Amino acid sequence: QLQLQESGPGVVKPSETLSLTCTVSGGSISSSSYYWGWIRQPPGKGLEWIGSIYYSGTTYYNPSLKVRVTISVDTSKNQFSLKLSSVTAADTAVYYCVRHTGSGWSDAFEIWGQGTMVTVSS
Amino acid sequence: EIVLTQSPGTLSLSPGERGTLSCRASQSVPSNYLVWYQQKPGQVPRVLIYGASRRATGIPDRFSGSGSGTDFTLTISRLEPEDFGVYYCQQHGSSYTFGQGTKLEIK
Repeated sequence: QLQLQESGPGVVKPSETLSLTCTVSGGSISSSSYYWGWIRQPPGKGLEWIGSIYYSGTTYYNPSLKVRVTISVDTSKNQFSLKLSSVTAADTAVYYCVRHTGSGWSDAFEIWGQGTMVTVSS
Repeated sequence: EIVLTQSPGTLSLSPGERGTLSCRASQSVPSNYLVWYQQKPGQVPRVLIYGASRRATGIPDRFSGSGSGTDFTLTISRLEPEDFGVYYCQQHGSSYTFGQGTKLEIK
């Protein structure tokens, strides 16, 4: 059974870079059928897609975050990572890693990590 | 960017009643690529409906999705106690955006 697990610091200082890693277990990140992405949810608020990556390294980003976001993949470790630069309090949220198909009618965020809370605070 | 607006913000209903949740898009959603999710407190979202009207595996048939273009609806025919939570619509026809959610609460 495929599982995703986020890891990284729970607190990041304003203006610094948020860095998270998602470890995939129970399956290969190099599957040709799937994309791997990041979604966040501020406390008590809704969901926001941040971006996604294919195992080859092809990336797609939310236009509103694109200038600050970098998503990368390490197939040897079965991991993918998120970097979000110049963070402010508005970036405080639960960050989820997800899997989706990336195309077609079935392209939904089907598998989610448990989420990790990141607080931006000095 | 396609903006999704969900209504109502909060829906208060009793078990056994019918629930109707709306999702309106700022422009037509390509290929009706519209997904509905359910999120319960402390849990991750769960896919209910793909492609505006196709139920995901294991989802009870009391959940149904309809609509096309800019107007979509999630209907829960007879509410069960476990159906209460927050429901999100999401489109993937042009990038990926979510609605702000509808909270379905017990009346």
